[in-house]
Amino acid sequence: AQSVTQPDIHITVSEGASLELRCNYSYGATPYLFWYVQSPGQGLQLLLKYFSGDTLVQGIKGFEAEFKRSQSSFNLRKPSVHWSDAAEYFCAVAGRVAAGNKLTFGGGTRVLVKP
Amino acid sequence: ETGVTQTPRHLVMGMTNKKSLKCEQHLGHNAMYWYKQSAKKPLELMFVYSLEERVENNSVPSRFSPECPNSSHLFLHLHTLQPEDSALYLCASSQDYPGTYEQYFGPGTRLTVT
Repeated sequence: AQSVTQPDIHITVSEGASLELRCNYSYGATPYLFWYVQSPGQGLQLLLKYFSGDTLVQGIKGFEAEFKRSQSSFNLRKPSVHWSDAAEYFCAVAGRVAAGNKLTFGGGTRVLVKP
Repeated sequence: ETGVTQTPRHLVMGMTNKKSLKCEQHLGHNAMYWYKQSAKKPLELMFVYSLEERVENNSVPSRFSPECPNSSHLFLHLHTLQPEDSALYLCASSQDYPGTYEQYFGPGTRLTVT
């Protein structure tokens, strides 16, 4: 069965500093991987996705993620954090059900941004 | 309207009430999903509809009853809920057959059961 682990529950970072959020997955085949962001009281917004090809993927809002098969990781990075990046971030891996697809989410990492 | 919309955004209901949550997607997708998000718990997939047929029901109690009348609309009918059902209920949609896997989420309905 597929699973996703986000080891850090909370991260505090200063505005302007770099950010890296960790994600480790378990999946039997080539994974389809995603990062979503959720602002308070809102739904989830897709930041970026990896299906195949270049292992460094660019997303919206200046985020990027790197797929490392050997480490079963898909870490999210941003070089310089803005106060508006304070939110909860979810890593997810996609799998199939009988029809339709299924996302398995990690527990999330809450990011706090200090001025 | 664009994307995925959900109504109402907030709902307070008693344990004996009957209410419904509505989701509408404007993306031309053919698969829709209900998720439950509780505090301190990972997102839980409740139901999956693909081509208007329910294809997954993750051991959800019968007090939650989904309905998908067409590929753009999804409902979650609620009756005799428990306080532990208080949560954020998220709807999502995706394109299946051929699948692209990414799901697009609505803003959610914050449900409080009193």
